[in-house]
Amino acid sequence: KAGVTQTPRYLIKTRGQQVTLSCSPISGHRSVSWYQQTPGQGLQFLFEYFSETQRNKGNFPGRFSGRQFSNSRSEMNVSTLELGDSALYLCASQASGYNEQFFGPGTRLTVL
Amino acid sequence: AQSVTQLGSHVSVSEGALVLLRCNYSSSVPPYLFWYVQYPNQGLQLLLKYTSAATLVKGINGFEAEFKKSETSFHLTKPSAHMSDAAEYFCAVTRGKTSYDKVIFGPGTSLSVIP
Repeated sequence: KAGVTQTPRYLIKTRGQQVTLSCSPISGHRSVSWYQQTPGQGLQFLFEYFSETQRNKGNFPGRFSGRQFSNSRSEMNVSTLELGDSALYLCASQASGYNEQFFGPGTRLTVL
Repeated sequence: AQSVTQLGSHVSVSEGALVLLRCNYSSSVPPYLFWYVQYPNQGLQLLLKYTSAATLVKGINGFEAEFKKSETSFHLTKPSAHMSDAAEYFCAVTRGKTSYDKVIFGPGTSLSVIP
């Protein structure tokens, strides 16, 4: 089975712009979670989608949003980018009934 | 609420020496525990998981961890470190078996292996 894929792998944006990141889960996995990883804050949970519905949400401002499509692929969007949004954004997929997560390689976002 | 602490943000060991990475958890219900490894510029990879079947859990790459309820610990060990073990290690806890239950990650421990 193919693993979790994330596109793009690297992204450079400027303050005030918006960005959309994409995640394709492992085939058959219906849950997709997003995390932000920074040196200072570590791994922080953004949100989790299951069958196109957001089930869990972390403590991030409304500028961070996401969605999931019927094929379980997920996107996250960050609007009005700030310098502090520079981070590695990780996506993880999970099979129903199992609690182990499978991570993608991440998207490295740099905000200038 | 659940939480995870990892003692030591950086650990250095000599090649061939014992690796010991510490993890303590807090959970009001029987926990499910995980260790993940992250190599530079990569995502996290599952090393092993505790699901109450056995207190000593063996994982990939020669790693193992022991669940000690009395100490609320789940320390990760490897008898002999290899250069390729240099990476960031994360301990994580969750309360349930489904994706509805959030996974809480510790802050991570960076392991350096000295030749």
